[in-house]
Parts: sequence; structure tokens; C-alpha cells
Amino acid sequence: EDQVTQSPEALRLQEGESSSLNCSYTVSGLRGLFWYRQDPGKGPEFLFTLYSAGEEKEKERLKATLTKKESFLHITAPKPEDSATYLCAVQGAGTASKLTFGTGTRLQVTL
Amino acid sequence: NAGVTQTPKFQVLKTGQSMTLQCAQDMNHNSMYWYRQDPGMGLRLIYYSASEGTTDKGEVPNGYNVSRLNKREFSLRLESAAPSQTSVYFCASSEGTRGRGAFFGQGTRLTVV
Repeated sequence: EDQVTQSPEALRLQEGESSSLNCSYTVSGLRGLFWYRQDPGKGPEFLFTLYSAGEEKEKERLKATLTKKESFLHITAPKPEDSATYLCAVQGAGTASKLTFGTGTRLQVTL
Repeated sequence: NAGVTQTPKFQVLKTGQSMTLQCAQDMNHNSMYWYRQDPGMGLRLIYYSASEGTTDKGEVPNGYNVSRLNKREFSLRLESAAPSQTSVYFCASSEGTRGRGAFFGQGTRLTVV
């Protein structure tokens, strides 16, 4: 059974204070690891897909990396508008494109 | 650019009542999904449809039924609502091929009293 664990549950940063969010996973044959952003009262918004260990993706202040056991979402010099819940999900082989999600990290960036 | 559209956005039901949540996507995606999101539990898959004409159970299917009406539409039915089904429900769609991310609707907030 695919499993995803995210840490920390919540993170409070000051504007400009860089940090990383962790996503540990176990999956039978990784087809993809996904990062989403979710704002309160909204649906998850797709950010990145990572396919294999060593791969990195970047978007503005966000950078996602992947190893064989975990993924990190690095946030460089965050701004208050980066405040959201960040969700990690995996897709395993033979799962008909289903995603298994972690419970997310709730990020708050203050001035 | 509507993406994934869910209706209704909010609903209050009495225990034992039935209702259908509607979902439509305009991205010509093959696969569609229904998730529920509860505090501390994350998103859990209820049912999914890998392609038109097929449906399969996910992690938490009890108390729900689904219909893949056509390639665009995937509905979720609660036959006899229970308080344990109070949750936020999300519909999503994806191309269904390797490593393609799913796109989500805005959610339906359901309360069963």
C-alpha cells in the first residue's frame, strides 16, 4: 500500500526566511510524485511532478527535489502570498493513475 | 477555461436523505476521481474512473455510488446520508497517463445533520 508522510504539520516563517518541507513516501514502483498548493476553501492547485530520483523542478520561489525515499519542497525568501497548505502525493505502478496524498504542511508567512 | 466544475458548492442534508454531487471537466481527460478531505486525514480516494465506461473503488467507498455518465461527467451519489459523511468533497480529472497531475474542482462542502 502506498503511503505518504509530510512534515512538519505546520510551519510559520517570517518573510524572507527560507525553509524546506518534507515528504517521505513508500510506493511500489513510483510513476510520479506530485506537489500541490491548497488555499483555504479552494481545491488543490497542481505545482510540480517529479519522476525519478535526482530530478528537480523550480517555479518562482519554490524548488522541489526527489530522492528514492523522500521529496523536499524548498521555499526561498518566502512572501506572505506563499501562505497555504502544501500537499504531496504519489502515484504507484499499477494503480490506474490514482494518487495517494499526505496530510499536508500548513505554511504561514508573516511580515 | 473552466477546468473541473462541481455542483453544488454547499449542501446541508438530514440523516437518511440522498443526494448526487455533480462533476464535469472540459479538458478531454480520460480519468476522473472523487476524493473527500477531512481534518487530519488528508485527501482520501472514494471512487475513480480510469476511462469512460469503467469505475473502481478507492480507499473509502462505503456509502457511496458513482456514475461515469460520459467522458466529461462523473457523479457521486449518497443514497442514505450519515453524519460521518460530513466532509469536503473534491472531484478531479487527469489524462490518465504516467505521471500526469490531476486537476481539482473547487469542492463541495457537505454537512449531514
